[in-house]
Amino acid sequence: AQTVTQSQPEMSVQEAETVTLSCTYDTSESNYYLFWYKQPPSRQMILVIRQEAYKQQNATENRFSVNFQKAAKSFSLKISDSQLGDTAMYFCAFSYGGSQGNLIFGKGTKLSVKP
Amino acid sequence: DTEVTQTPKHLVMGMTNKKSLKCEQHMGHRAMYWYKQKAKKPPELMFVYSYEKLSINESVPSRFSPECPNSSLLNLHLHALQPEDSALYLCASSQELVPNYEQYFGPGTRLTVT
Repeated sequence: AQTVTQSQPEMSVQEAETVTLSCTYDTSESNYYLFWYKQPPSRQMILVIRQEAYKQQNATENRFSVNFQKAAKSFSLKISDSQLGDTAMYFCAFSYGGSQGNLIFGKGTKLSVKP
Repeated sequence: DTEVTQTPKHLVMGMTNKKSLKCEQHMGHRAMYWYKQKAKKPPELMFVYSYEKLSINESVPSRFSPECPNSSLLNLHLHALQPEDSALYLCASSQELVPNYEQYFGPGTRLTVT
């Protein structure tokens, strides 16, 4: 069975600083995909960043980057120059061929960016 | 247009009522999803439609009945719900039912069962 673990239920960071959210996963699949989704308070969930397991290069999207350690089954999200609008619930998610697109979510990390 | 819309935004219903939730997307996506999300929890998958056919039913009670009338529209019919069914119901869509495609989420319907 595939599992996703986010060990930090809540985190806070000062505006303009850098923060890293951790995510580990367990799978025996060789081909899979990892995602970070962001759900701001009372707003809809959006994709932050995506990583294909077969790609060694870490994905980046502007201020957001991941540290993908395949052997360690780790997929952390780094947010640089944190902004107040980054305050949200962040979910790490996993999918693979047999999941038919079904996302397996971690329990989430609530990030608060303080002015 | 990368938007998934859901109506209504809020719904309060009694345990004997029948109501429906509606979800719409005009991105040409062929996979659509219903999720249930409790406060401070991740979304839980309920149903998945692919090309207007039910592909996944995650053992959801029969008081929830999904319907996909066409490729842009997804409904969730509710009947004889229980108070524990109170939650945020999210709709999502993706280009195809394959694992690497991004899912686009709607804002959700906040359901309260009294």
